[in-house]
Amino acid sequence: AQSVTQLDSQVPVFEEAPVELRCNYSSSVSVYLFWYVQYPNQGLQLLLKYLSGSTLVKGINGFEAEFNKSQTSFHLRKPSVHISDTAEYFCAVIPGYSSASKIIFGSGTRLSIRP
Amino acid sequence: DAGVIQSPRHEVTEMGQEVTLRCKPISGHNSLFWYRQTMMRGLELLIYFNNNVPIDDSGMPEDRFSAKMPNASFSTLKIQPSEPRDSAVYFCASRVDYEQYFGPGTRLTVT
Repeated sequence: AQSVTQLDSQVPVFEEAPVELRCNYSSSVSVYLFWYVQYPNQGLQLLLKYLSGSTLVKGINGFEAEFNKSQTSFHLRKPSVHISDTAEYFCAVIPGYSSASKIIFGSGTRLSIRP
Repeated sequence: DAGVIQSPRHEVTEMGQEVTLRCKPISGHNSLFWYRQTMMRGLELLIYFNNNVPIDDSGMPEDRFSAKMPNASFSTLKIQPSEPRDSAVYFCASRVDYEQYFGPGTRLTVT
């Protein structure tokens, strides 16, 4: 069975500080990896995805993530956060390279930015 | 494209009433998903369709919940009868290949 673990339920950081949101996955098959962001009172929005190629992927709003196959991790980073980055962030996987498979989401990490 | 469209955006109803949530996926997307989100349980997948066919409904809480997708451009999620514990935000999402797009959600309150 596949699972996604987000190790931190909440991450408080100061504005303009760097941030890393951690994500680990467990799967018996190869996976595609995603990060979604949910701003208050909105639906989830795709932030970035890893399907193949370079293990460092860049997304919207200055975020990037690195796929580490040996550590089964896909941590999300941003070098300098803004108040507008306050949101909940979900790591997700699609197992088995099947476009018909359901996405498996982590439990989310709430990022709060302090001025 | 207008994105995934859900209606209504807010619904307040009394216990025992029937509730119908509606979703219009993005044109050309062949998969559609219904989720429920609460503070206590987080984001839960209720059911999903591929090419209008239900593939996995194991997340539907009980027989009071039903979902249909009569065509590629419309889906409904029905709760009958509704109960206070059904209060949540219900999201519809559609997908093509590996990119999934969520609607704005319907906030359901059952009193």
